Amino acid sequence: NAGVTQTPKFRILKIGQSMTLQCAQDMNHNYMYWYRQDPGMGLKLIYYSVGAGITDKGEVPNGYNVSRSTTEDFPLRLELAAPSQTSVYFCASSDAGTRVFSSYNEQFFGPGTRLTVL
Amino acid sequence: AQSVTQLDSQVPVFEEAPVELRCNYSSSVSVYLFWYVQYPNQGLQLLLKYLSGSTLVKGINGFEAEFNKSQTSFHLRKPSVHISDTAEYFCAVSLISSNTGKLIFGQGTTLQVKP
Repeated sequence: NAGVTQTPKFRILKIGQSMTLQCAQDMNHNYMYWYRQDPGMGLKLIYYSVGAGITDKGEVPNGYNVSRSTTEDFPLRLELAAPSQTSVYFCASSDAGTRVFSSYNEQFFGPGTRLTVL
Repeated sequence: AQSVTQLDSQVPVFEEAPVELRCNYSSSVSVYLFWYVQYPNQGLQLLLKYLSGSTLVKGINGFEAEFNKSQTSFHLRKPSVHISDTAEYFCAVSLISSNTGKLIFGQGTTLQVKP
C-alpha cells in the first residue's frame, strides 16, 4: 500500500513551458485534492475532485487544469508556466464520501513536487 | 467564509520544555478541526482531529489539543518536546455540512526545538 505518490519530486521549468504533475493513490479514495504551499501562506487549494469525471476549482485555480479519468489518478497540468507558479505542490486524497464518521475528512498527502519556474 | 489564523509563525523552545501552538478560526457554521504536521522535505500527516464529543483530543507523538467553542480556538499542546518534534504545524478546518471534504489551512507554525 503506497498511499499517495507524486512524480516528479523536483522540476525546473522555463517561462512558457508546460508540464504535468502526476498524482496517484491506491486507497480507493473518491476524493482527491491539489494544493500549493508557499512560505508563510499555508496550503491553498488549487483543484479538487469528488470522483472520476468530476472536478471543481479551489481557491487558486488560475493557470492550472486537472482531469480525473480514473479513481486512482489526478494529474495537474500547467500550460504556460510563470514565475508565480514556483511553489511546492501537494496532492491529497480522502474517503470523505464513504460516511465513515471516524475518518471523515482526514486527508492523506503525497510527498510533494518542488517546482521552480525561471 | 471560513478562515484559520495561527498566531505564531515561529516558536523556539528548548528540549523537554512544554509548548503550545495557537490556532483560532472564524466560521458562522460548525466545523471539524485538524492539526497536521510536516517534517522537513515531507508531506503532511495528521496529528489529531476534533469531530465531536470530548473537547480534549489526544493525537500521535504525545500531542493533544483542546477545542474551545466560545473562543473559537483549537490550541495544540505537548508537555515535553523532543528534538524530533522540530517541524511545521498546520491547523485546518472543514465544514461539517460540506460534501467535498475541503480543508482550509492556517499559515503554519514552525516549531524549533533546541537542545
